Amino acid sequence: EVQLVESGGGLVQPGRSLKLSCAASGFTFSDYAMAWVRQAPKKGLEWVATIIYDGSSTYYRDSVKGRFTISRDNAKSTLYLQMDSLRSEDTATYYCARSDWEYYFDYWGQGVMVTVSS
Amino acid sequence: DTVLTQSPALAVSPGERVSISCRASEGVNSYMHWYQQKPGQQPKLLIYKASNLASGVPARFSGSGSGTDFTLTIDPVEADDTATYFCQQSWNDTWTFGGGTKLELK
Repeated sequence: EVQLVESGGGLVQPGRSLKLSCAASGFTFSDYAMAWVRQAPKKGLEWVATIIYDGSSTYYRDSVKGRFTISRDNAKSTLYLQMDSLRSEDTATYYCARSDWEYYFDYWGQGVMVTVSS
Repeated sequence: DTVLTQSPALAVSPGERVSISCRASEGVNSYMHWYQQKPGQQPKLLIYKASNLASGVPARFSGSGSGTDFTLTIDPVEADDTATYFCQQSWNDTWTFGGGTKLELK
């Protein structure tokens, strides 16, 4: 059974940093691209970043480029999102998602809440 | 970025057929996917590449379209289908979602 479990969320002040983790199990992690997708309270889904299976290529939405870094450790089957210079508009539930090679998201974690507020 | 436009809400009676539309601001070939999200839950993949049913999804769900106009159809609708439905395109390397269509049952 595919499982994705996010951790690392919480309350953080504007301008500070936070690192999210996503522990994967039930599939060969190194065979798949992975992504982070977020959802602000009462809002729609917003793709944040994608990393391909071996970590050699990454993609970001414009609003997080230069502030967020997606990475992975295939030996630990873990996905990360380092978030720096956080802004209030980054407040959202962050979902880890497995990405098929045609870049749809076939499995999702339960999500972790990130609140950016002073 | 490719903008995906969905109608915000629909209301139908159980047993009816419902079609949820998604229009892309530019052509995305067949790289359109559909998700269901119930309150307090993570999204769930329903349809991938316009018309392919994801594993474990009931055959009541179907998808169609190509280019800029896509449709998710539920026939017949059941009470458990109350949810928000999102489309997502992966034609380019800036993936985008539609704003979601909230489906309510009468």
